[in-house]
Amino acid sequence: EVQLVESGGGLVQPGGSLRLSCAASGFTFSGYWMLWVRHAPGKGLVWVSRVNGDGGFTAYADSVKGRFTISRDNAKNTVYLQMNSLRAEDTAVYYCVRAGYMYGYDYWGQGTLVTVSS
Amino acid sequence: QSALTQPPSASGSPGQSVTISCTGTSSDVGGYNYVSWYQQHPGKAPKLMIYEVTKRPSGVPDRFSGSKSGNTASLTVSGLQAEDEADYYCSSYAGSNNYVVFGGGTKLTVL
Repeated sequence: EVQLVESGGGLVQPGGSLRLSCAASGFTFSGYWMLWVRHAPGKGLVWVSRVNGDGGFTAYADSVKGRFTISRDNAKNTVYLQMNSLRAEDTAVYYCVRAGYMYGYDYWGQGTLVTVSS
Repeated sequence: QSALTQPPSASGSPGQSVTISCTGTSSDVGGYNYVSWYQQHPGKAPKLMIYEVTKRPSGVPDRFSGSKSGNTASLTVSGLQAEDEADYYCSSYAGSNNYVVFGGGTKLTVL
């Protein structure tokens, strides 16, 4: 059974940092692109970042470019999102997502809440 | 404001059919056959229902179907059941710069 389990969310002050982790199981982790997608209160889903199977390619939404870094450790079946210089508008539930199809995301974690507030 | 436009709400009675629209532009929905639909129940993770406009992942009932015409994609739920009540989001590939964009979501109510 495919499972994606996020951790690392919480309350942080503006300008602070958090590192999200997503532990994957039940599939050949290195064979899939992985993404982070966020869902802010009252708003739609937004793609944040993606990484290819071997970690050699990464990309970011303009809103987080230069502040967030995605990485993966295929030996640990884990993908990470390092979030620096956090802003109030980064407040959202962050989902770890597997790209099982071309631009179709077939497995999602339960999400971890990030709240940026003083 | 989301890149793709969905109606905020839709409703239907059990057994009826409901169609949810998702309108974009020629740079996303109209330009590629990579529209997906997700179902999200409160407090749960989104679930992929449709990918590549019309394809259903294994396990998704054939009551769910997708289509596209021009810059508008649609999700049709036939034979509505109580468990179909949820939020539905569309997404589309939008080119190498914007990658994937989502709609704002539609709350489907089963009356």
